[in-house]
Amino acid sequence: DTGVSQNPRHKITKRGQNVTFRCDPISEHNRLYWYRQTLGQGPEFLTYFQNEAQLEKSRLLSDRFSAERPKGSFSTLEIQRTEQGDSAMYLCASSRNGFGNQETQYFGPGTRLLVL
Amino acid sequence: RKEVEQDPGPFNVPEGATVAFNCTYSNSASQSFFWYRQDCRKEPKLLMSVYSSGNEDGRFTAQLNRASQYISLLIRDSKLSDSATYLCVVRDDMRFGAGTRLTVKP
Repeated sequence: DTGVSQNPRHKITKRGQNVTFRCDPISEHNRLYWYRQTLGQGPEFLTYFQNEAQLEKSRLLSDRFSAERPKGSFSTLEIQRTEQGDSAMYLCASSRNGFGNQETQYFGPGTRLLVL
Repeated sequence: RKEVEQDPGPFNVPEGATVAFNCTYSNSASQSFFWYRQDCRKEPKLLMSVYSSGNEDGRFTAQLNRASQYISLLIRDSKLSDSATYLCVVRDDMRFGAGTRLTVKP
């Protein structure tokens, strides 16, 4: 399977715990994006990387959230001191750098987080 | 006003019907638009890009109206398998609409 993969697919945690999610993009894609999606809403942009550089972070990304892409390949998203409001689907997408409509994002299956 | 808006639906149509969705955006400088479909509890999957001149892929037609700042998706001869949520995205701003739910019934 050469698509975007995410692990774990599901995570249940207690409030206050830290969680970390991993995303493996399509191998030749240099851009990697993290989104959060809640029921009835579209994906909300969190952050994105070009290679190992984190180029943009949304205001939604509080200081409890941190993302890394140390070698420009896989990425991790960590949430510290989880809150019930963090419960959502966390989606990763990757793309090859391009202009306008040439840059298509492909999504992974997501990690569904439930904070109790 | 939300930056990318879609009618949430649901749109309930019979098989074979033609259905159209619109998506309005607020950033007049936006250049890059896409339609994705998302099945229940699955990830979004690319349906088609939206080009300035309009584009067609089988039963699906996407159009861009820059003057009124909206994009549209037209589905002809709808199939049961078209039932899904359709998301528009303005790539420049990395903003998705909330999606329009379509149910095609026998």
